[in-house]
Amino acid sequence: DQQVKQNSPSLSVQEGRISILNCDYTNSMFDYFLWYKKYPAEGPTFLISISSIKDKNEDGRFTVFLNKSAKHLSLHIVPSQPGDSAVYFCAASGVGSEKLVFGKGTKLTVNP
Amino acid sequence: KAGVTQTPRYLIKTRGQQVTLSCSPISGHRSVSWYQQTPGQGLQFLFEYFSETQRNKGNFPGRFSGRQFSNSRSEMNVSTLELGDSALYLCASSLGGTAWNEQFFGPGTRLTVL
Repeated sequence: DQQVKQNSPSLSVQEGRISILNCDYTNSMFDYFLWYKKYPAEGPTFLISISSIKDKNEDGRFTVFLNKSAKHLSLHIVPSQPGDSAVYFCAASGVGSEKLVFGKGTKLTVNP
Repeated sequence: KAGVTQTPRYLIKTRGQQVTLSCSPISGHRSVSWYQQTPGQGLQFLFEYFSETQRNKGNFPGRFSGRQFSNSRSEMNVSTLELGDSALYLCASSLGGTAWNEQFFGPGTRLTVL
């Protein structure tokens, strides 16, 4: 049973435009959500996180939105740059737990 | 501040052997978690250690074990290796002890079982 789902395996956008990556979850006990960027054969790089007490968090070009009623979160990258091309993973953890449950990832390609 | 380091970066073993992987967390971080990444299953949680105690465990067989030392460094051991254990093994560290801790990953150890 996949508790964290990233339904789009890939996404292609033009440089300078907005990239929107989506993530859905099923476990209502999740209260902390993180986005990671990953290149092949490397460890994931932490991008941004959001706790369940917020519905939006921004850090530079990255904004994460959380809709608890829909059990949905999204990552917005504005403006997108070619260096953003990578696989993006959504992850979630429950109250008081360090265990991260990951989605399968979305491969983002930003075209110059 | 130095990031999470993992050694070795690459390993080749044969079936039936055992292997030990090492992880040094970010200075000041007390929680260390281990994950396995494979093409078919994605990133899966193995276990987490905090202050030398295993706090959480994923759904892996007993051949996978770990430990944490007093300096927060951690090791992971896999015994009686199987072909399916070939994967990228990732270690992540966080402050632990509080809610909503960001986890930072190391570069991983690529294990190949022949």
